[in-house]
Amino acid sequence: SQQGEEDPQALSIQEGENATMNCSYKTSINNLQWYRQNSGRGLVHLILIRSNEREKHSGRLRVTLDTSKKSSSLLITASRAADTASYFCATAPNTDKLIFGTGTRLQVFP
Amino acid sequence: DVKVTQSSRYLVKRTGEKVFLECVQDMDHENMFWYRQDPGLGLRLIYFSYDVKMKEKGDIPEGYSVSREKKERFSLILESASTNQTSMYLCASSPLPRSNQPQHFGDGTRLSIL
Repeated sequence: SQQGEEDPQALSIQEGENATMNCSYKTSINNLQWYRQNSGRGLVHLILIRSNEREKHSGRLRVTLDTSKKSSSLLITASRAADTASYFCATAPNTDKLIFGTGTRLQVFP
Repeated sequence: DVKVTQSSRYLVKRTGEKVFLECVQDMDHENMFWYRQDPGLGLRLIYFSYDVKMKEKGDIPEGYSVSREKKERFSLILESASTNQTSMYLCASSPLPRSNQPQHFGDGTRLSIL
């Protein structure tokens, strides 16, 4: 069964706008990771946030984690056309594997 | 940079054939994974391996097997291909410890079973 569920399933914005994607999960976790996938390619790791962290930044990316609500959000600021991709959250519960959500498809129009 | 290489980007096979998908990583990672990706279902774990000759079932192992004879290579085998195994297959690797490290993915093999 899916551990992570992303919301929205699809998002369309103009260049320069911010994009926010949300992820909800069901069980306790060690960390939560966000990945990006360009069309027809593999996933690329973006950022990892540990269960004892509340916020993390990497360039134009900002990730928050609320373990009490079992949710995380990924914010991409000042989006560019090159940010067009699918974005996945992946949770690391106390087992030996990551569990991926179904992803958010982001379209950024020039 | 870690490089995970999958032997084929596109593959077309016939029902009943035995199919081999190969994956090689160049960073001496202990962990290797095979996923399949289908629209609306996200990534689902088929098998994974923590060491040479070790394998563990993921969420959907039925109809698949794996082989890890060398640390850098992890093969996925479709014993008798069926049309419902048409999918995008992704290989990934990560270093120890087991569950907490980011995974590095190959570009995938889009497999069609006719």
